Amino acid sequence: GAGVSQSPRYKVTKRGQDVALRCDPISGHVSLYWYRQALGQGPEFLTYFNYEAQQDKSGLPNDRFSAERPEGSISTLTIQRTEQRDSAMYRCASSFTPGETQYFGPGTRLLVL
Amino acid sequence: AQSVTQLDSHVSVSEGTPVLLRCNYSSSYSPSLFWYVQHPNKGLQLLLKYTSAATLVKGINGFEAEFKKSETSFHLTKPSAHMSDAAEYFCVVRSASGGYNKLIFGAGTRLAVHP
Repeated sequence: GAGVSQSPRYKVTKRGQDVALRCDPISGHVSLYWYRQALGQGPEFLTYFNYEAQQDKSGLPNDRFSAERPEGSISTLTIQRTEQRDSAMYRCASSFTPGETQYFGPGTRLLVL
Repeated sequence: AQSVTQLDSHVSVSEGTPVLLRCNYSSSYSPSLFWYVQHPNKGLQLLLKYTSAATLVKGINGFEAEFKKSETSFHLTKPSAHMSDAAEYFCVVRSASGGYNKLIFGAGTRLAVHP
């Protein structure tokens, strides 16, 4: 594909349900990043991978949030037992190598009722 | 720690007039700075980046930004606004911790362009 893709684009779920958000980076990009953007704010870093290795997860807000990238390509961000405060836009980005320009996908808008 | 402050949450200009979006940064290191733009229902797009080369950086769509160390500023400008410039703009600094891989975003400036 030409750019970073994310699915689903919109997700509505009930409080307490688990959700899985998918990111498909640009082909050949080593590094993959997840950010969360609350309404009216800029994106905030969640976690980052090089290949399949999770290098930094310091931005994950609590242990309900986890991410994986098992084959060094597609990544999944999972939120367990969702809460209303998890409602936000979740953005994925990738870069050719660590520290290079990050290219962002369109985001997944999550609404927890 | 690095941070950026966007001084205006909303800016409104008339088509054909200059655009100025203000950003101040805080960094104990020589920073890498970026401007990203977000159009409705689209992803964030890189407009331009500063990485300690020329202090005046030219980006896409006629935008440019000047790095001023003495003022700790990285303001975004365009001589003549176009209707298609209406979007949200984010000033961004690359974190010096964690292997220089985190981006730290400002809160954003929403630019409106009126005919």
